[in-house]
Amino acid sequence: QKEVEQNSGPLSVPEGAIASLNCTYSDRGSQSFFWYRQYSGKSPELIMFIYSNGDKEDGRFTAQLNKASQYVSLLIRDSQPSDSATYLCAVNSGYALNFGKGTSLLVTP
Amino acid sequence: GAVVSQHPSWVICKSGTSVKIECRSLDFQATTMFWYRQFPKQSLMLMATSNEGSKATYEQGVEKDKFLINHASLTLSTLTVTSAHPEDSSFYICSAPPREIYGYTFGSGTRLTVV
Repeated sequence: QKEVEQNSGPLSVPEGAIASLNCTYSDRGSQSFFWYRQYSGKSPELIMFIYSNGDKEDGRFTAQLNKASQYVSLLIRDSQPSDSATYLCAVNSGYALNFGKGTSLLVTP
Repeated sequence: GAVVSQHPSWVICKSGTSVKIECRSLDFQATTMFWYRQFPKQSLMLMATSNEGSKATYEQGVEKDKFLINHASLTLSTLTVTSAHPEDSSFYICSAPPREIYGYTFGSGTRLTVV
């Protein structure tokens, strides 16, 4: 069973702070890793994806991947109330994506 | 681009009836489409993979006769929930395979409520 684990939260951070979201996965053969944001009742929106070990930055978002530790994280800098949502970690271990349950983020004004 | 159009957005049906959900790739051809189901506060769970020109591949535990998947063309995949029951009430989402910078493109989802 290929597992993708996330802390369900809620994670509460004040506006302007850095939010740190974590994800671990069980399949060492996983090739690519995705972070999606999902608002209640809506479809997931792609934030970014990462293939290689290290950091990848896109605006206020930074994804970090450590394949040896089977760990991927997402940092959100200068968090805004509009960032409040559920963040889904997804791993490609074959062709389709395997999702974690998501971490609920609440950014308080 | 990489747009997947999913319809309907929401549907309420009576127990025992069938419901069809459509996903169309608008600006690209998709030989494969992934179908997910999401219960409240749960993860997206892959139900099946539709393949143009061949049978769908179902995940373990998903009833093939209940969830009929058809990939009629390179731009259309459908999921039909047959003889729906209240426990089938869920959020159903389709996704096209990864393409270049777009990653996996998701449809907007269908909220199914069976009463």
